[in-house]
Amino acid sequence: QQQVKQSPQSLIVQKGGISIINCAYENTAFDYFPWYQQFPGKGPALLIAIRPDVSEKKEGRFTISFNKSAKQFSLHIMDSQPGDSATYFCAASRSRRDDKIIFGKGTRLHILP
Amino acid sequence: EAGVVQSPRYKIIEKKQPVAFWCNPISGHNTLYWYRQNLGQGPELLIRYENEEAVDDSQLPKDRFSAERLKGVDSTLKIQPAELGDSAVYLCASLRSPTSFTGELFFGEGSRLTVL
Repeated sequence: QQQVKQSPQSLIVQKGGISIINCAYENTAFDYFPWYQQFPGKGPALLIAIRPDVSEKKEGRFTISFNKSAKQFSLHIMDSQPGDSATYFCAASRSRRDDKIIFGKGTRLHILP
Repeated sequence: EAGVVQSPRYKIIEKKQPVAFWCNPISGHNTLYWYRQNLGQGPELLIRYENEEAVDDSQLPKDRFSAERLKGVDSTLKIQPAELGDSAVYLCASLRSPTSFTGELFFGEGSRLTVL
């Protein structure tokens, strides 16, 4: 049962462009939405996260936009760089200790130099 | 601070053979997770430990998979016998377990299993 749907599966962006990855969730009890970045041969690493009490969170070139009514959230990478080429996973969880994090299927991002 | 350590990084076995993966979490992290990541997919939870107690093993295929975390520190995941469909990357992650869940899992680099 996939509770977090991520799109697109792959994305190619020119250097300096904006990369946008979208996610949708089903469970309205989710209240924590992290994005993880994974490079080949490495484990995922937390990039940025948001809670539904805010509609946007920005950290450097990375911004999460959150739409609670639509049950959607997205990652925007401004001024995309070749070093941003990686696989990105959105995820969702309930902020209780006994809840697991549900991951999307991932987006392979390639930034053209 | 050392990160999550996993071994082996790569393992190639023939089907029906046993295999074991080891994980040492970040010091002081009480919660430990084993995830399986199939090619081109996101991580899927197999089992979660709080100290030495398995608090969520609902997704662990118990007929062939087993795990243990005897002293609440490092953990072993075993598959016996392995099947072709078990080929995947097995990720270990840890979490400090603060009173307020932050959701930041720290992942190891994974153990890539190929079953021939």
